[in-house]
Amino acid sequence: AQKITQTQPGMFVQEKEAVTLDCTYDTSDQSYGLFWYKQPSSGEMIFLIYQGSYDEQNATEGRYSLNFQKARKSANLVISASQLGDSAMYFCAMREGGANSGAGSYQLTFGKGTKLSVIP
Amino acid sequence: DTAVSQTPKYLVTQMGNDKSIKCEQNLGHDTMYWYKQDSKKFLKIMFSYNNKELIINETVPNRFSPKSPDKAHLNLHINSLELGDSAVYFCASSQDLYSLETQYFGPGTRLLVL
Repeated sequence: AQKITQTQPGMFVQEKEAVTLDCTYDTSDQSYGLFWYKQPSSGEMIFLIYQGSYDEQNATEGRYSLNFQKARKSANLVISASQLGDSAMYFCAMREGGANSGAGSYQLTFGKGTKLSVIP
Repeated sequence: DTAVSQTPKYLVTQMGNDKSIKCEQNLGHDTMYWYKQDSKKFLKIMFSYNNKELIINETVPNRFSPKSPDKAHLNLHINSLELGDSAVYFCASSQDLYSLETQYFGPGTRLLVL
């Protein structure tokens, strides 16, 4: 089973509007971290936002917020006031933790990404 | 100052050649990683090193050999390059192996095998 699912291969949003990028995850660990990265056309991977499984409040970083719904195992990224420079691929990722998770848990597991296009 | 740097940024080479990609981080992190991003943009872990010690070696051909001379460097050597090795290779680092801290990525190395 996929550990990270991003169901939207592509999304369009009007400039200045808000957009939500979906991400659901699958883990049996109690301790884990959820991440969003942005990859513009230039190719670099830019860290956007992090949510720990024990964090009670949703993470926010400027125009980015993470809508964390633990019971539903979802970690959607919300971008407010979209800008043309937000056009990029967005990846959701998870890092599982805990002593029983095994060595294979220490890396990030990525979703397949969502291509966001901001329309002027 | 670049936190995680990789060289070269682009690498075009013939099938059968041997090549290396270098990675350095100046963040003082203990753990470093190599990821491969295929043509469909899917990112997958290849290797993970913690304090110069190999932790993860996913299903990667033996032609790929990581080397960590010190904890700030993790180089990737590829022998007998094949067409299917064409991809973008990302180096990343994190504070340590056990915390759930953010991983910071290098700019990527675009490898094209002809």
